[in-house]
Formats: sequence, structure tokens, C-alpha cells
Amino acid sequence: DAGVIQSPRHEVTEMGQEVTLRCKPISGHNSLFWYRQTMMRGLELLIYFNNNVPIDDSGMPEDRFSAKMPNASFSTLKIQPSEPRDSAVYFCASSPTRSHEAFFGQGTRLTVV
Amino acid sequence: DAKTTQPNSMESNEEEPVHLPCNHSTISGTDYIHWYRQLPSQGPEYVIHGLTSNVNNRMASLAIAEDRKSSTLILHRATLRDAAVYYCILSSSPSGSARQLTFGSGTQLTVLP
Repeated sequence: DAGVIQSPRHEVTEMGQEVTLRCKPISGHNSLFWYRQTMMRGLELLIYFNNNVPIDDSGMPEDRFSAKMPNASFSTLKIQPSEPRDSAVYFCASSPTRSHEAFFGQGTRLTVV
Repeated sequence: DAKTTQPNSMESNEEEPVHLPCNHSTISGTDYIHWYRQLPSQGPEYVIHGLTSNVNNRMASLAIAEDRKSSTLILHRATLRDAAVYYCILSSSPSGSARQLTFGSGTQLTVLP
């Protein structure tokens, strides 16, 4: 398996634009997580899905952020409108449910100017 | 989630053992102790986990105190490739739910040649 695949790897966008980050989890994994990493706040869990259903989105910073998982092999994290403070590395991870091991993608480095 | 405390940074010489400590005095009976590491410009990577007994795998060993209020990750022979931020994380998993990981600030391990 190629592991968790995120795209794009780098994204530079202007303030106010819509940004969509994509994630393909490892086949057979039931759980999917979105994290954000910044120097100031470290790694923060934004949302997680189990069997394509959002279970906990309490980490989503505000209404500008939304996440979907239309099927078991694809998830998106959307920011609309984007702001400079959204600049961060966004990681997607997947895991078999109740497993102790989560597998992380390489991340998407987002820069909002 | 119960909190963990780790030193901000540690240094080790190449090919020597490294002992990375973690304090978790408020750990609950259902909390597993997980260790992840994050190499530069990569997503976090699972290292090891345990509940009460010491654990060994191909990457490392985990020594858990008898009262479970602290643990130590042991790298038996550090290599330059082990230079990373090491995170100690407590996580429990209520039946049927995914396992959420709350990352702290971790320990930055520097390996000296």
C-alpha cells in the first residue's frame, strides 16, 4: 500500500480564496483524522471520522472550516474563505478502528498570503 | 485526556542508548501509553504503545513504571536517522470509537555523530 496520500503537497493561495485539501486513506482503515500543525500550537486534532461519519469535530476552529468523507477512500478539508492565520501544515491520518497505530500522510503545507 | 510531561530537548551520541522520559501522573486505568515520533518535514510515525507491561518491538522498548505514572522510551542504539521530535501520548478508546491522539510539545532528540 502507498500509505495515506495527501494532495496537494504545497498550496499557496490569496486571502479570501477557497482552499480544498484532499486525503486518500489506507484501504480498509475505518477511521480518518485531520490534524493541523503550527509552530505556535503544535499538532491539533481538527476532526475525525469513523466509517465515513464525522464523530468529533470539536477541534474545527470555526465555520470557515468544513470536512467531508463521501466514501471510504476519500476525504476533503475545505477552508472558505481562507485567512493568513490558516497557514499551517495539515495532516491526514487513517487507522483501523480501535487500533493503536495511526498512519499519517506527508502533509499539505498551506500558505495564505 | 490525561496530560503528559516531557523534557523539551535531549541529546545523545550516535550508537549509544537513549532514554526518553515521560511523566503522566493523572493516567487512568484505561489509558494506553503511546509513543510517536516526527522526523523533519514528515508526518508523525507510530513507535510503540503499552498498557502495564514493558514492551519491545523492532524500533524501541517501552518501560512502564509499576504505578504507571511514568514511562521511558528506550532507543537501544541511536542513529542519526533517529533525530526527531518524540511524543508521549495517553489515549483510551471507548468501545466502538476511534482512538484519538492528543499531541503535546514532545521532546526534540538530537543525535550527535
